[in-house]
Amino acid sequence: AQSVTQPDIHITVSEGASLELRCNYSYGATPYLFWYVQSPGQGLQLLLKYFSGDTLVQGIKGFEAEFKRSQSSFNLRKPSVHWSDAAEYFCAVGSSGGYQKVTFGTGTKLQVIP
Amino acid sequence: GAGVSQTPSNKVTEKGKYVELRCDPISGHTALYWYRQSLGQGPEFLIYFQGTGAADDSGLPNDRFFAVRPEGSVSTLKIQRTERGDSAVYLCASSLKGTGVSDTQYFGPGTRLTVL
Repeated sequence: AQSVTQPDIHITVSEGASLELRCNYSYGATPYLFWYVQSPGQGLQLLLKYFSGDTLVQGIKGFEAEFKRSQSSFNLRKPSVHWSDAAEYFCAVGSSGGYQKVTFGTGTKLQVIP
Repeated sequence: GAGVSQTPSNKVTEKGKYVELRCDPISGHTALYWYRQSLGQGPEFLIYFQGTGAADDSGLPNDRFFAVRPEGSVSTLKIQRTERGDSAVYLCASSLKGTGVSDTQYFGPGTRLTVL
């Protein structure tokens, strides 16, 4: 069965500092991997996704993620965090066969301090 | 264009009551998904519709939960004999096809259900 682990429940960074959110997945075949962001009162928004090819994926809002098969990881990064990035971030894995049944991690809540 | 909408945004009910939660997907999207997000957790898959039929309902926790999509557009999640443990945010998502590498799920804002 597919699963996702986000080891950090809560992270605090200073505005302008770099950010890395960790994600480890478990899936038997080549996974579909996603990062979503959830702001209070808003729905989940897709930041980026990986299916195949280039292991460094660019997303919206200046985010990127790197797929590392050897480490079963898909960490999310941003070089300079803005106060508006404060939200909860979810890593997810989807099945590559049939329809995209997506399994989410438990999320990492990002706090940005001035 | 309009995104996925869900009504009501908040629902408070008493234990044992019946509730219906509605989802309006993006127009033209054939795939529709329901998820449940409990406090401090990520969304958990409940059911997937392809058109009018439930293609995968393996995530429904028990037979008190049921969902329909009679015309292949709007979907209703129905919960009978609600329990306090049903309290959560219920999320709906839709996607164009449901399959394929380019298919993306778009989420609604959710319905927060509180069972007293």
